[in-house]
Amino acid sequence: AQTVTQSQPEMSVQEAETVTLSCTYDTSESNYYLFWYKQPPSRQMILVIRQEAYKQQNATENRFSVNFQKAAKSFSLKISDSQLGDTAMYFCAFIPYLYGGSQGNLIFGKGTKLSVKP
Amino acid sequence: KAGVTQTPRYLIKTRGQQVTLSCSPISGHRSVSWYQQTPGQGLQFLFEYFSETQRNKGNFPGRFSGRQFSNSRSEMNVSTLELGDSALYLCASSFSQINEQFFGPGTRLTVL
Repeated sequence: AQTVTQSQPEMSVQEAETVTLSCTYDTSESNYYLFWYKQPPSRQMILVIRQEAYKQQNATENRFSVNFQKAAKSFSLKISDSQLGDTAMYFCAFIPYLYGGSQGNLIFGKGTKLSVKP
Repeated sequence: KAGVTQTPRYLIKTRGQQVTLSCSPISGHRSVSWYQQTPGQGLQFLFEYFSETQRNKGNFPGRFSGRQFSNSRSEMNVSTLELGDSALYLCASSFSQINEQFFGPGTRLTVL
């Protein structure tokens, strides 16, 4: 079975500080894509960052970066200089890239509720 | 470019009724996926359509069905509603098979 585990149901961080959200996954596929999505109270799911499994270099998007450890099947998200607007549920997800070019479906973790405190 | 739109945003139905939700993908996107989000089960995949064909289906009963039109707009239908169908239903679109998915604002369905 393909699963995503986010071991931190809730986290809090002070504004301007750095926080890391953990994610581990399990799949037998060798090709896949990993994502972090953010869902603020408005419920709109927003893509934060994406990582292709075949790339060794960790993805970075402004204040957001990942630590991708393929052998350990770990994909953590680091948020630097946290802002009040970062308060949201964060979901780790992956999608297998299947033989023949088709893709499977997004598999999500249960989420981590992040609160940024002033 | 306009984002993914979903209508209606809120729905209240009673048990036994049926409901149809609509999703309009980002212009040019041909893949549309549907997800159910509940506090207990989290985000669960319902089905995915690409060029009017259902490519993947999640583990949901046959009461849940969908379709995609030639303009890539998609609808999902739930028949014989149950209390447990109360959820946020999210639609996501992507350009092709291996691109990231962009989500709509969701439809909040309440079954009484």
